[in-house]
Amino acid sequence: GAVVSQHPSWVICKSGTSVKIECRSLDFQATTMFWYRQFPKQSLMLMATSNEGSKATYEQGVEKDKFLINHASLTLSTLTVTSAHPEDSSFYICSARGGPNYGYTFGSGTRLTVV
Amino acid sequence: AQTVTQSQPEMSVQEAETVTLSCTYDTSESDYYLFWYKQPPSRQMILVIRQEAYKQQNATENRFSVNFQKAAKSFSLKISDSQLGDAAMYFCAHNAGNMLTFGGGTRLMVKP
Repeated sequence: GAVVSQHPSWVICKSGTSVKIECRSLDFQATTMFWYRQFPKQSLMLMATSNEGSKATYEQGVEKDKFLINHASLTLSTLTVTSAHPEDSSFYICSARGGPNYGYTFGSGTRLTVV
Repeated sequence: AQTVTQSQPEMSVQEAETVTLSCTYDTSESDYYLFWYKQPPSRQMILVIRQEAYKQQNATENRFSVNFQKAAKSFSLKISDSQLGDAAMYFCAHNAGNMLTFGGGTRLMVKP
């Protein structure tokens, strides 16, 4: 089956620093990857969509300079939270499309805490 | 734009009983997919069941089945013989093109 690996699973960083989250499709080539943010007891909010080799498409209200997305290969996308602040603390989930069922496969998520 | 609505923030079911989670959606697309995802406390999103809009037959996966009413834009999930491990958040989702739109979720509690 399709597997997406997301690392780290949790991270604590100081305010003002940057944090990189990786999302890898392990056994398929992901034509498109998605990054979501989830607040406690809420649904997933799409932040951006990235296609390999091209710039990410950000949803309205998402700061592209703060949330840098790179999709350099068909198996790897990264989300970098730059100059993190406490309000960036959240649960971030990636998803990749392109598996055998042409469905969506999700990573296990990253809990980011900015102190 | 696609919208997905789950009108039940919380549901409760007795172990071994059956429960139905509701979902309605709005779309201008004629070809699309619908999904139910389960998110347990680990927060890993797990695909429960998928339905192609062009298929009239309702999808079934073991104890999970859907009632897909295309004209009414309704896509409910029925869980039979509920188990303690079914307790989780359940999200209904709609896909047209590349984008996946989620509903607000329903928290399912299973009573022993």
